[in-house]
Order: sequence, then C-alpha cells, then structure tokens
Amino acid sequence: GAGVSQSPRYKVAKRGQDVALRCDPISGHVSLFWYQQALGQGPEFLTYFQNEAQLDKSGLPSDRFFAERPEGSVSTLKIQRTQQEDSAVYLCASGREGNEQFFGPGTRLTVL
Amino acid sequence: DQQVKQNSPSLSVQEGRISILNCDYTNSMFDYFLWYKKYPAEGPTFLISISSIKDKNEDGRFTVFLNKSAKHLSLHIVPSQPGDSAVYFCAASANNAGNMLTFGGGTRLMVKP
Repeated sequence: GAGVSQSPRYKVAKRGQDVALRCDPISGHVSLFWYQQALGQGPEFLTYFQNEAQLDKSGLPSDRFFAERPEGSVSTLKIQRTQQEDSAVYLCASGREGNEQFFGPGTRLTVL
Repeated sequence: DQQVKQNSPSLSVQEGRISILNCDYTNSMFDYFLWYKKYPAEGPTFLISISSIKDKNEDGRFTVFLNKSAKHLSLHIVPSQPGDSAVYFCAASANNAGNMLTFGGGTRLMVKP
C-alpha cells in the first residue's frame, strides 16, 4: 500500500520564479491538506480540500500561493514569484475520515 | 499567538528510562489531540491520539495523558529505546475546523544507549 507521495523532493528556485509542488494522496482519501514547515518550527496549515472542493484556504500566506485538486485526487501547490521567505518544507497530508492525517515526505523548497 | 506550545525544544533520556514530552494549548475549542514523530527528511508519522472525552490513551510503550482543566497533555514513552530518537510534535484540532491540525514547535528526543 503506497503512502502519500510528493514531488519533487527538493526544489531550488531563483527569486521570482514560479514553482509547482505535487501531492499524490493515499487512494480513497477524500481529505487533503497542505502545510508549510519552516526550519525549526512545527508545520503550519495552508489549505484543505475535501475531494475537489477547496474548503479552507485561510492559511495561504499571500495571493502568490494557489492550490488545486481538480479531480479530487492529485493536488498541486503553486507559488508564483517566489521570495526567500517561501523557503520551507511543504508537507501534504491525506485522510479518510476522523482526525488522523497521513503525511508525505515533503518538498524542501529553497529560494535563492 | 501560538495556540499549541511545546516548551522544551529538546530532551535527553537514558535507554530504558521514561521519556515525558509535554504540550500546552490555549484554544478551548480543541477537542482532539495527536502526537506525531518525525525523522529527518521524512514526513511526520502518526503515533497516538486522544479525544477530549478521555484523559488517558495507551498504545504499547506510548501513553498520552490529557488534563483539560490545565489545557495540558503529555506523552510518556516507557521504556525508551534509541530508535525513539526523533522530533515529536504535538497537534490539536477542533471538529468545526475541518480537521486542520495546529502543531506545536516540536521537541527533539535523544535516547542514549
């Protein structure tokens, strides 16, 4: 049974570039979450999908951040015009119901 | 304003002894609490959880205690093993928040052989 997978695992971008981070949730999981983890801190909520519907995007730090899940499975987090403060690990988690979320390995984004 | 706090950034314990990791929260709407374990370059792995209707939940070597009046929870690991060395995150959710998790800052546990 495959877990949550994320790609790429590492991404280096020049300031101002756009990046796209992919998340493949566990099959059958309707809930999908994105979190941002800065160095030395705990993950912080970005956005939440139930199937293809984005039900909460209150954690997205700016309008440069955009997430989608068009078919209710794979999700993409896009960051436009990246800034140095966007450097972090971006974690995706999926869940079936209840509160247990299963996390992927994360994508480490470094903006130079 | 941090709603979930882990005040000890690190903890060192001898193998075989008990490890106690602590977590405090401020939001009284939280009704479900979880502990995750994280190794370097991996995502957090679910360890154990507790609902606010309980004050204790046990799973093998791991026990979580919840003190609602003090808004405090703790994770006990006994006996501690070197393989338990990792960063432990406390997390909380409120049912009306779509199960989004609010995490503490983490505690790095080192179990010495």
